[in-house]
Amino acid sequence: GAVVSQHPSWVICKSGTSVKIECRSLDFQATTMFWYRQFPKQSLMLMATSNEGSKATYEQGVEKDKFLINHASLTLSTLTVTSAHPEDSSFYICSAPMAESTDTQYFGPGTRLTVL
Amino acid sequence: DAKTTQPTSMDCAEGRAANLPCNHSTISGNEYVYWYRQIHSQGPQYIIHGLKNNETNEMASLIITEDRKSSTLILPHATLRDTAVYYCIAYNTNAGKSTFGDGTTLTVKP
Repeated sequence: GAVVSQHPSWVICKSGTSVKIECRSLDFQATTMFWYRQFPKQSLMLMATSNEGSKATYEQGVEKDKFLINHASLTLSTLTVTSAHPEDSSFYICSAPMAESTDTQYFGPGTRLTVL
Repeated sequence: DAKTTQPTSMDCAEGRAANLPCNHSTISGNEYVYWYRQIHSQGPQYIIHGLKNNETNEMASLIITEDRKSSTLILPHATLRDTAVYYCIAYNTNAGKSTFGDGTTLTVKP
């Protein structure tokens, strides 16, 4: 069935570097994708809505210049954490609607980011 | 999205039914009730959703009260693999995004 993949599954980087996380919809197209962040023992927090061919919509309090989102095709959205710091260490998860006509989401497996 | 309230944690014996409650007293008429679950260190998984009527699929049943202010997710025969955090979301189609609450940690015990 349709799934959403993320790459990489986990990444460790040095403070000050940038990290790119990919979110792909497999076997289906997604004009909209969502990016979430999850800290240990906490719930998912919506960061932004990624829109194919246009700018992402960021939730209040999320720095758009720090978390760059690019939705260049109908099957790929990328989240780049720029100048990462230890406090950016988190579990990043993307999701996409199962179909254009539904609000039900497929979620990716998540990417564990650790910034040293 | 309307705010949802769920118990922090619940236990269930393997093979028994797990009944997970959710309060959404401020839900509006066009908001659906969605349930997802998240197994440790994985992305959430869709379970079921409904608007007014009770729903059933291969994973679970969803019972929504007539006034729509609360609902119950039922896992008819819980297994150890059902241990997860279960999230109840009142989803507003117009808003186009899901807001996750704290969820219920369900532990299925042998």
